[in-house]
Amino acid sequence: QVQLVQSGAEVKKPGASVKVSCKASGYTFTSYGISWVRQAPGQGLEWMGWISAYNGNTNYAQKLQGRVTMTTDTSTSTAYMELRSLRSDDTAVYYCARGGLTAARPGDYWGQGTLVTVSS
Amino acid sequence: EIVLTQSPGTLSLSPGERATLSCRASQSVSSSYLAWYQQKPGQAPRLLIYGASSRATGIPDRFSGSGSGTDFTLTISRLEPEDFAVYYCQQYGSSTGLTFGGGTKVEIK
Repeated sequence: QVQLVQSGAEVKKPGASVKVSCKASGYTFTSYGISWVRQAPGQGLEWMGWISAYNGNTNYAQKLQGRVTMTTDTSTSTAYMELRSLRSDDTAVYYCARGGLTAARPGDYWGQGTLVTVSS
Repeated sequence: EIVLTQSPGTLSLSPGERATLSCRASQSVSSSYLAWYQQKPGQAPRLLIYGASSRATGIPDRFSGSGSGTDFTLTISRLEPEDFAVYYCQQYGSSTGLTFGGGTKVEIK
């Protein structure tokens, strides 16, 4: 069965970086893309960006351009999301979701979420 | 950026009743690239509908989506106890990226 398993919770100081991983199994990793979505405490969903696991093409949300980098390691079927220059309003649960191969599409399978807390 | 506005913010209904949720876009959503998700507390979102009206795998037929252009609707024909949750719409037709609506909470009356 399709599974996306994310790395564990992180606590970071303002200005630091965080890298969250998302390990896929149960399907051909390079036949899909991965989107990243975050949710601040008590708030709605925010799309962060997408990466094609086939060719590494990316599409980032404009507000995060320059601070976020999404990558994949096809040898381990793992996607990564790195967010730099962390601020307190980056505190959120971060989700990965399986999506489109050539463009961002709805996520049909989701990871369990990774809580990232930014606090001094 | 396409802004999605969901209404109402909260819908108070009883099990067995019909729920109608609205999602309005600030500009036309190309190819009806509109999806709906359900999210329960402490859980990841679950894809219900894509392409405005196609049910995702395993989704019961009491969930249906409709609409085009800028106005979309999610209908739950008869609410089951497990349907009380928050629902989000998402557009994926813009080359500048995806956006979510602010959500509608369906609560037990």
